[in-house]
Amino acid sequence: SQQGEEDPQALSIQEGENATMNCSYKTSINNLQWYRQNSGRGLVHLILIRSNEREKHSGRLRVTLDTSKKSSSLLITASRAADTASYFCATAKAAGNKLTFGGGTRVLVKP
Amino acid sequence: DSGVTQTPKHLITATGQRVTLRCSPRSGDLSVYWYQQSLDQGLQFLIQYYNGEERAKGNILERFSAQQFPDLHSELNLSSLELGDSALYFCASSDEKTGGYEQYFGPGTRLTVT
Repeated sequence: SQQGEEDPQALSIQEGENATMNCSYKTSINNLQWYRQNSGRGLVHLILIRSNEREKHSGRLRVTLDTSKKSSSLLITASRAADTASYFCATAKAAGNKLTFGGGTRVLVKP
Repeated sequence: DSGVTQTPKHLITATGQRVTLRCSPRSGDLSVYWYQQSLDQGLQFLIQYYNGEERAKGNILERFSAQQFPDLHSELNLSSLELGDSALYFCASSDEKTGGYEQYFGPGTRLTVT
């Protein structure tokens, strides 16, 4: 069964706007990761945040983690048409452990 | 390109048949994970191997089995296939020498059972 939920399930924005998606999980974790999947292709690792971190940046990506609320958010700033994809959060209880995925958020960036 | 390769890309087979999916991890990665992605179940962990040994098992059916060979490539065997086994099968690898957190996914094998 999946670890948690992602919200919203789908998001449609204009190019240049910011996209925010949220992920909630149920059990304690070691780290939380975000992945991108383009239409039925492989998953691409975007960013990892450890349980003792609160915020992390990578390029146009900003991830926050609130372990007290068991939730995380992914912000994509200044979105581009190429950001159109499904985004998944995944949690791991320890390094080298399996990933438990959320249901994903489908993002459509309109040019 | 993640460095993880999977073959074949697509597989169409009939119910009751057996297939083998192959995965080559990134050079040097000792851990291989198998995941199944379907519309109704989402992304589900199946099984993990580390340096040839089974390390963790998830929602893997008894009809499915896997192994990791001395050269670290892995195979996932699916037998007595049913329509519901149609899905995308991904393998991923990780490098535990450098933390072992991020997993690098292959492009997947799309299995269609007719």
